Amino acid sequence: EMQLVESGGGLVQPGRSLRLSCVASGFTFDDHAMHWVRQAPGKGLEWVSGVTWNSEDIRYVDSVKGRFTISRDNARNSLFLEMTSLNPDDTAFYYCAKGFRGSLITDRFDSWGQGTLVTVSS
Amino acid sequence: ETVMTQSPATLSVSPGERAILSCRASQSISSDLAWYQQKPGQAPRLLIYGTSSRATDIPARFSGSGSGTEFTLTISSLQSEDFAVYYCQQYHNWPQTFGQGTKVEIK
Repeated sequence: EMQLVESGGGLVQPGRSLRLSCVASGFTFDDHAMHWVRQAPGKGLEWVSGVTWNSEDIRYVDSVKGRFTISRDNARNSLFLEMTSLNPDDTAFYYCAKGFRGSLITDRFDSWGQGTLVTVSS
Repeated sequence: ETVMTQSPATLSVSPGERAILSCRASQSISSDLAWYQQKPGQAPRLLIYGTSSRATDIPARFSGSGSGTEFTLTISSLQSEDFAVYYCQQYHNWPQTFGQGTKVEIK
């Protein structure tokens, strides 16, 4: 069974940083692109960032470009999101999501983690 | 970016009835359209991909149709477990984008 488990969320002050992690199991991690999708409480879904299987293609939504950094460690079946200069608009559940294919950043998501909540507030 | 617009925002349906949800893209997305179901406190779950293909273990009462810019998700006979929020997503144009969701509630 495919499983994605996120961690690292919490309460953080504006301007500070946070690092999210996602550990994958139940599938061949380095066959798939991986993504972060967020959802503000009570709101809809927003794709945040994605990385292809070999990290050759990495992209971000404009609102986080220059502040967030996605990375992966295929040896540890892990995906990361380094978030800096956080602001209250970044408050959301952050989901780790598996892309169906390995080399496409634009794709459907066929498995999701349970999410980790990031709250940016003073 | 491709804007996805879902309608209606809320759909009130009685158990056993049919529900039809709509999704419109601001530009052509071919058939690269997925639908997700999200229940309260849970992560989204992939239901439909490629406009009309059901994901693993998705019941046959869920079906998708459409092409280009107009798409539909049909739930043929609503079961209690189907009351949830449904999102469409296009993955034809970068960045992939989601609709704002349709909440299917019990009438």
